[in-house]
Parts: sequence; C-alpha cells; structure tokens
Amino acid sequence: EAGVAQSPRYKIIEKRQSVAFWCNPISGHATLYWYQQILGQGPKLLIQFQNNGVVDDSQLPKDRFSAERLKGVDSTLKIQPAKLEDSAVYLCASSLAGTGGGGTQYFGPGTRLLVL
Amino acid sequence: DAKTTQPPSMDCAEGRAANLPCNHSTISGNEYVYWYRQIHSQGPQYIIHGLKNNETNEMASLIITEDRKSSTLILPHATLRDTAVYYCIVRVLFGGSNYKLTFGKGTLLTVNP
Repeated sequence: EAGVAQSPRYKIIEKRQSVAFWCNPISGHATLYWYQQILGQGPKLLIQFQNNGVVDDSQLPKDRFSAERLKGVDSTLKIQPAKLEDSAVYLCASSLAGTGGGGTQYFGPGTRLLVL
Repeated sequence: DAKTTQPPSMDCAEGRAANLPCNHSTISGNEYVYWYRQIHSQGPQYIIHGLKNNETNEMASLIITEDRKSSTLILPHATLRDTAVYYCIVRVLFGGSNYKLTFGKGTLLTVNP
C-alpha cells in the first residue's frame, strides 16, 4: 500500500515570495491533515479536512496561509507572502474517518522549507 | 497544549529493552494513548495505540496503568535504528466526531552500541 506522498521535498525561497506544497493521501483516507514542525519542536496542526470540508483551521495563520482539498483527495497548502519564521518542515498526514480506535494518522515525509 | 509529560531524553544499550514513560493524568475515559516516533529528517511513524488494555504489535508493547494516568512504551530489543524522538499523545475528541493529536516535544531516545 502506498503511503502519503508529498512534494516537493525541499524548497528554498526568499521572504515575501509565495510557495505551494502538495499532498496525496493514502487511498481511501477521508481525513487529511497539514502540520508545521519548527526545528526542535513537535508537529503543530495547521488544518484538518474531512473529505473536502474543513473541520479545524484554528491554528492556521489565515492572513498568509491557505489550503484546499478539491474533490476530497489531493491537497495543497500555500503560503503567500512567506516570512522568515515560516522556515519549517510541513507534514501531511491522512487517516480513515476516526471512530473509536480507528483514525490512526499516517504521515508523509514532509517538505522542508527554508525562507531567506 | 499537549496532555502528556515525557522525559526530554533517555539512553539505552543496544539489545536491551527500552522503556519510555509517559504521564497523562488528565486523560478522559474515552481518549486513546498514541505513540509515534520520528527518526531524523523523516515524518512521524505510527507505533501503537491503546485505550485501557495492554497492547503489543511487531514494533513495541504498550503498558497502560489501571488508572490510565500513565503508560510505558517498551521496545523489547533496541537497535541503533531505534534512535529517534518518541511522542506520547492523547488523542482528543472535538466537534462531536473529530479527533486531534497534539504533539509535545517527546523523548529523544539514543541507543548506544
């Protein structure tokens, strides 16, 4: 079974530029998550989708970050304009709809972003 | 905020059992304990989860105390490839039917030859 795919794996941009990340979840997984992981810290949830609807975006900096999940499968996360503090690893995860002990999240390899 | 407390670092000798503790004293009755690990430059890897009973899979064992306020992840025969940051997470229900994982800083386990 293929895992969560993310691209690109690395990206270097200058501040005030825009950048986009792509995620393809595990086939059949209805729930998709984007996390931000700053060096030395645990991942922080930015946004959670259930199919193509947003269920939690409380920690997404909406003035510069946006995300969409068209057709309830692939997702893109965009930053515009980027700031120095956005340098981090952006992780995508997916899960089956979580009920009881289900809903285990499986993570992709991440996209490492460096903003200069 | 994360609902768990873990030591920042631990060491273990190769071939020995690694026992990683986690405190989650405010856990609610229907909240699961999840363990993930993150090897350098990789995404978090799911290890195991449990509610009340002890659990075992091919990677590890999870021992949950009877009062559910703490748990221990056991790697029975640690290898150098088990060197990673281990996260203990209480999965929280929100919005009636959705679940959230809140990661803390985890425990850096270093397996020494």
